[in-house]
Order: sequence, then structure tokens, then C-alpha cells
Amino acid sequence: DIQMTQSPSSLSASVGDRVTITCRASQGIAKYLAWFQQKPGKAPKSLIYAASSLQSGVPSRFSGGGSGTDFTLTISSLQPEDFATYYCQQYNSYPWTFGQGTKVDMK
Amino acid sequence: QVQLVESGGGVVQSGRSLRLSCAASGFTFRSYGMHWVRQAPGKGLEWVAVIWYDGSNKNYADSVKGRFTISRDNSKNTLYLQVNSLRAEDTAVYYCARGAPDVSGRYYFDYWGQGTLVSVSS
Repeated sequence: DIQMTQSPSSLSASVGDRVTITCRASQGIAKYLAWFQQKPGKAPKSLIYAASSLQSGVPSRFSGGGSGTDFTLTISSLQPEDFATYYCQQYNSYPWTFGQGTKVDMK
Repeated sequence: QVQLVESGGGVVQSGRSLRLSCAASGFTFRSYGMHWVRQAPGKGLEWVAVIWYDGSNKNYADSVKGRFTISRDNSKNTLYLQVNSLRAEDTAVYYCARGAPDVSGRYYFDYWGQGTLVSVSS
């Protein structure tokens, strides 16, 4: 199975900050990487697919990058509604696997 | 708009069974592969199973293989997960999710349901 490791596990930030979350795969997954946002008690929401493609309706302050084993999710200017937990997930091969999550909270 | 609505969860004793359902609307259900993903309380996300758009192929996580069965009824726009021999570690919110093609034709999760909670008591 492909292991996905996110860093950091949590971070504290302020509105307007630039935030970057890193995701590393245990083996190469080309660009088959997605990012999700989850708020407490809610279902995950798709943000990014194919490493850097923005899901329809997602604000442009979210961006993704990387390929192979190393990927990033960047929020260019953190907004109040962005405080949440973020997960990366590989869909290169089954079983599909997720990172452990990165919780973004208010400083 | 795309809607996925899960049902069938509840409190169940260890060793018993449940059937979860996911009612789909707002898209051509028979054209999409569908998945189940679960999340234990306070934990991360775990992919559980996938079924191809026509039901011809299925794949399972090792943790549920032999106990869970994914199926679909395209005439009813409904996805199912039969969960047997339940264990305490199966306690989780179970989400259904749609698999959509990316630019290269690989499939990723684009829409999720709101989830249904399965709680296994000993």
C-alpha cells in the first residue's frame, strides 16, 4: 500500500496568512493526488485533483502543486471559512489512501 | 445538482450485520463508479470499497475484505454496502462518494454524501 504522510499535523495561522501543507507519498504516484477540506461534523469537500486542478467552485486562493512523491496545498490568503482539517489522498493505485490530516486553526 | 444521501446506519451488536444505502440524484448514476469511505470518531479517512459504473468490478480494503460487499442498483440510482460480522473497529461514519474522471481519465472523488454513523457495541 502507498503511505501518505502530511506535514505538519497541525498549524496555527491568522486571517490573511499564506499557508502551505505538504504531502509525501511512499512511492511515485505521478499526479494522481487530491486534496480535501473537512469541517467538524461535515463531509469532506473536494478542493484539488490531479495535483493542481481546482475543483469547480473552489476559490482561487487554493492551489496545488507537485508530482511523483512530493506535493503541496497552498492557501494564498487564509480566510475565516478556511479553518478546517485538510487531507491529501492518492488515487494512483488501490487501495486508495489518505494522509493523516492537517488541522488549521486560529492563532 | 449532485446529491448523495446515505442511510441505514445505527447501533448494532458485534458480529451482526447492516446494509447501508446511498441514494443518488442530479446526475447519470449508471455512468459513474462509486465508493465507500469511512471515518472512525476523531480519526482520519479510510477508503473502504469501489464498484465500477456497471458493477462489473469491485475492490476492497484489506480491513473489510470478506466481510463487506459493495453493490449497486442502477435502476434505482442506489449504492449499497452490506456490512457483516461487525467489529468494534468498524465503528465509523460511512460516506459514499462519486468517482469522476480527471484530465487523464483516472478517477477521483468529486462529490460526497453527508455520511451515516455505524456504532458497533460489544
